[in-house]
Amino acid sequence: NAGVTQTPKFQVLKTGQSMTLQCAQDMNHEYMSWYRQDPGMGLRLIHYSVGAGITDQGEVPNGYNVSRSTTEDFPLRLLSAAPSQTSVYFCASSTRGGANYGYTFGSGTRLTVV
Amino acid sequence: TQLLEQSPQFLSIQEGENLTVYCNSSSVFSSLQWYRQEPGEGPVLLVTVVTGGEVKKLKRLTFQFGDARKDSSLHITAAQPGDTGLYLCAGAGTASKLTFGTGTRLQVTL
Repeated sequence: NAGVTQTPKFQVLKTGQSMTLQCAQDMNHEYMSWYRQDPGMGLRLIHYSVGAGITDQGEVPNGYNVSRSTTEDFPLRLLSAAPSQTSVYFCASSTRGGANYGYTFGSGTRLTVV
Repeated sequence: TQLLEQSPQFLSIQEGENLTVYCNSSSVFSSLQWYRQEPGEGPVLLVTVVTGGEVKKLKRLTFQFGDARKDSSLHITAAQPGDTGLYLCAGAGTASKLTFGTGTRLQVTL
C-alpha cells in the first residue's frame, strides 16, 4: 500500500516563483487536507476537500490554491512564493469518518523560499 | 478559532519512567486524536477517542478523553527509547477538520 504520496520531498524556490506540491492517495479516501508545520506552531490547516470537485479554506489559506478534480489527487499551488511560506507541508487523507478513524499523512515536502 | 494547548512542550526522561502528556481546550470536539511524529516523517495515528470519559489502552500507552470532550491525556508506562518522538493531539470538528496542538517532544534515554 502506497498510502499518501507527496512529491517533491525537498524544494528550494526563489521569491516570486510559483510551484505545485503534489499529493496522491490510493485508499479511495473522500477527505483530503493540506497542512503546514512550523516550529512551535504545530500543524495548521491550509485547505481541505470533502470530495472531488469540492474544496474549502482552512486556517491559513492566503497565497495557496487547491483543486480536486479526482478522488486520488489534491495538488497545492503556491502562486508567488514568499519567505513566509518556508515550511514543511503535509498532505493527509481520511474516509468520511475521519473524526472517528483518523487521518493518514504523507511524509511531507520541505520547502525553502529564498 | 479552536485552540489546543499541550503540556509539557518538552520532556526528557530515563528509560523505565512513567509520564503523562496533557491536551486542553476550551472547545468541545467530536473526537480527540493522538499522533506520533518522527523526524522527516508525517504524523502517524496512535488512537482516536470519541466518547466523553473514554479510556483506551495501546500496550504501554493509555489515552483518556475528558468527560466534557474538551481535554485528553496520554500516559506512558515504563517509557522506552523507542517512544522518543513528537506527540501531537488533534481535535476533530466540522467536516472532520483537525485542530492540532503544538506538540510534546519526548526524549527517552537509556
